[in-house]
Amino acid sequence: AQSVSQHNHHVILSEAASLELGCNYSYGGTVNLFWYVQYPGQHLQLLLKYFSGDPLVKGIKGFEAEFIKSKFSFNLRKPSVQWSDTAEYFCAVNADDYKLSFGAGTTVTVRA
Amino acid sequence: GAGVSQTPSNKVTEKGKYVELRCDPISGHTALYWYRQSLGQGPEFLIYFQGTGAADDSGLPNDRFFAVRPEGSVSTLKIQRTERGDSAVYLCASSPPPAGGTDTQYFGPGTRLTVL
Repeated sequence: AQSVSQHNHHVILSEAASLELGCNYSYGGTVNLFWYVQYPGQHLQLLLKYFSGDPLVKGIKGFEAEFIKSKFSFNLRKPSVQWSDTAEYFCAVNADDYKLSFGAGTTVTVRA
Repeated sequence: GAGVSQTPSNKVTEKGKYVELRCDPISGHTALYWYRQSLGQGPEFLIYFQGTGAADDSGLPNDRFFAVRPEGSVSTLKIQRTERGDSAVYLCASSPPPAGGTDTQYFGPGTRLTVL
């Protein structure tokens, strides 16, 4: 079974700062990779996903993620955060099937 | 159209009681998933339906947990003889056909279950 590790439990930063959230997974076969976000009081929603092609994936709201197969990583980035990016971010993986394995999540707090 | 809906939003029960949690997926979505999210953790897979049948129930923690989807739409997660350790947020998700690993799963708001 695959596992997912998110390096940071809580990140605090100021508006306009750059954001990078780490995600590593353990699985040797074909994987599909996802970042989900949960804004305060809202349900989980997809930010972006990777399953093939260009390893640099662009998602909604200016987020992007890079798949580095040799490092088993799928880090999420945003060059300049806004207060509205305050949320919990989850990395998730599936072994080319339907069963998502999630990391523990990273809470991001953006100070105005 | 409407998203995935779950009822109730909150459920408080006593240890040993029986509870039912309902999920109404997005119309036309054939795949339905249940996850459980404990405090400070990411969601954990419980069960997956493709149509009416449970294609994979390997995540159900024990035989006190059971889920049905009799008409291929609404699903009910049933927990017998609840224990305090069952307290968590139960999430439902659905995805459109054809079901596969690259599909986006659309999540509902969850049911927060508290077992006293």
